[in-house]
Amino acid sequence: QITLKESGPTLVKPTQTLTLTCTFSGFSLSTSGVGVGWIRQPPGKALEWLALIYWNDDKRYSPSLKSRLTITKDTSKNQVVLTMTNMDPVDTATYYCALWPQDGYNYFDYWGQGTLVTVSS
Amino acid sequence: SYVLTQPPSVSVAPGQTARITCGGNNIGSKSVHWYQQKPGQAPVLVVYDDSDRPSGIPERFSGSNSGNTATLTISRVEAGDEADYYCQVWDSSSVVFGGGTKLTVL
Repeated sequence: QITLKESGPTLVKPTQTLTLTCTFSGFSLSTSGVGVGWIRQPPGKALEWLALIYWNDDKRYSPSLKSRLTITKDTSKNQVVLTMTNMDPVDTATYYCALWPQDGYNYFDYWGQGTLVTVSS
Repeated sequence: SYVLTQPPSVSVAPGQTARITCGGNNIGSKSVHWYQQKPGQAPVLVVYDDSDRPSGIPERFSGSNSGNTATLTISRVEAGDEADYYCQVWDSSSVVFGGGTKLTVL
């Protein structure tokens, strides 16, 4: 059974750095082709892709947010970490992590439940 | 950057067929994936690679893709199909989502 779960602060102040952790089970991020991505959704708005990390540590970032994002993985802990710098109230959103099943299968087939992050002073 | 355009809303009566479109430049040359998101829940993949269904997704959900438009078709719509639907593609090493369509079952 594949599961993913996001964790991190529910409230951050403007200009702070957000660190979110995705803890997963049921698959290995050392399996060839597999990836884990982050997607966010502001309240009442559309999904927005943020970042993706592959089994071989290759990384992809949203062009519009690339300068603020860092994605890393700890294969031994089955975790992927996303950091976003210089948080602003417009970054208030539910943040999801999701499984990218295989290189060439360009979609997310399992999602975490999401975690709501509010940016406010 | 690549843009996917969806209608904000689609309404359909129970038992009828709903068609949700996703427009993009030459989208027919890409693989399109569709997600269903119900209020307060995470998205669920309902169609991948234009027209394939993950296990557990009813056959009522189907997809097509040609030219500049991809379409998610939901046959024999049920009240439980009321949700937001998002299309998604992979373009230039980036994941791109459409703006989402709210499906209302009348």
